[in-house]
Amino acid sequence: GAGVSQSPSNKVTEKGKDVELRCDPISGHTALYWYRQSLGQGLEFLIYFQGNSAPDKSGLPSDRFSAERTGGSVSTLTIQRTQQEDSAVYLCASSPRVGQGAFTTFGSGTRLTVV
Amino acid sequence: AQSVTQLDSQVPVFEEAPVELRCNYSSSVSVYLFWYVQYPNQGLQLLLKYLSGSTLVKGINGFEAEFNKSQTSFHLRKPSVHISDTAEYFCAVSPPYSGAGSYQLTFGKGTKLSVIP
Repeated sequence: GAGVSQSPSNKVTEKGKDVELRCDPISGHTALYWYRQSLGQGLEFLIYFQGNSAPDKSGLPSDRFSAERTGGSVSTLTIQRTQQEDSAVYLCASSPRVGQGAFTTFGSGTRLTVV
Repeated sequence: AQSVTQLDSQVPVFEEAPVELRCNYSSSVSVYLFWYVQYPNQGLQLLLKYLSGSTLVKGINGFEAEFNKSQTSFHLRKPSVHISDTAEYFCAVSPPYSGAGSYQLTFGKGTKLSVIP
């Protein structure tokens, strides 16, 4: 597609429920990142995918968070047993390949609210 | 590891006045430097970047930034702001490509620029 597409744009969920956030990167981009933007914490790196390599999960805050990338394209970020502190905007970004931070394009994000 | 400090969380400025948004970074290795802008309910848009070469970098919308290695700074400037520049601005760094690693961006906490008519 023309840009990085994220869905849903907004999600309200009850505490304890599981949620799935979707990211569709720019066609042909092999590197995909998830970031979280929350009040007081700014933008934090969560996870990185590059082609068929093992993902870099070093930024995931707890084992309730997981992500997968199927077929080297679409990625899903899953949060299990959501907590109120998970409320944030989750941003996805892609770049043509690893190390090309100068060409990273961000999606508009999914605003998650846990009530 | 890298870190980024944006010294001002909010900057109000009158329309057509100049503005400078400050950014300092800390890193044990050389870095690439970026400024992003975020308008309400939107993602991040790249304003400009420093990878190498000239330390004065020009970006979109009339913004420019100067890389100062000795002061580890990358301040963003615009000589005359418009109402439409009201947004949040993020400074970020990443390590240069060396063949391994994820090269994720490390961001500052952002500066909210409010342009006053």
